[in-house]
Amino acid sequence: AQSVAQPEDQVNVAEGNPLTVKCTYSVSGNPYLFWYVQYPNRGLQFLLKYITGDNLVKGSYGFEAEFNKSQTSFHLKKPSALVSDSALYFCAVRVPWNFNKFYFGSGTKLNVKP
Amino acid sequence: SQTIHQWPATLVQPVGSPLSLECTVEGTSNPNLYWYRQAAGRGLQLLFYSVGIGQISSEVPQNLSASRPQDRQFILSSKKLLLSDSGFYLCAWSVLAGDFETQYFGPGTRLLVL
Repeated sequence: AQSVAQPEDQVNVAEGNPLTVKCTYSVSGNPYLFWYVQYPNRGLQFLLKYITGDNLVKGSYGFEAEFNKSQTSFHLKKPSALVSDSALYFCAVRVPWNFNKFYFGSGTKLNVKP
Repeated sequence: SQTIHQWPATLVQPVGSPLSLECTVEGTSNPNLYWYRQAAGRGLQLLFYSVGIGQISSEVPQNLSASRPQDRQFILSSKKLLLSDSGFYLCAWSVLAGDFETQYFGPGTRLLVL
């Protein structure tokens, strides 16, 4: 069965420090992987995606993610966190052969403290 | 550019009352449309998806239904709401070509059933 795991419920980081939000996946075949961010009472905003090619993907607001096939991971990273990065982050995998459904992780709350 | 609208933004309904939430997409044709529910500000549950007018697939059995009367309109309904229907309802769209089916989300409707 297809699944996405975000092992951390919450990540705390000080402003200016690097941040990592973890995501691992389990899917048959080649995955299409996505990261979204959600601010309180708002819809999800697309951050970045990995389809093929370079394992390091750059996205919006200075975020990037690294695809690691051997570890089946797609961790979200940012070199220097901002207080405004505090939000809920979702990892998702798209399964092309199953009506292109998305499977979302449970979300990780990122707290960036000044 | 494409935009997605949802209304109402917030809704408070008594148990047993009917429900109708609307989602419309502008700036694209023949999108795939999705309804998700997010409970307690966390995980996303796919409720329905549609690949065309009148074509609805249900993911989980429940007292909700969906309809797609027009190409860019997606409606979520219920004849009698339950307390457990409370949550944050998100509509999303994607297109087959050119964007590897990235899903883009609307602003959401917060439903409170009392």
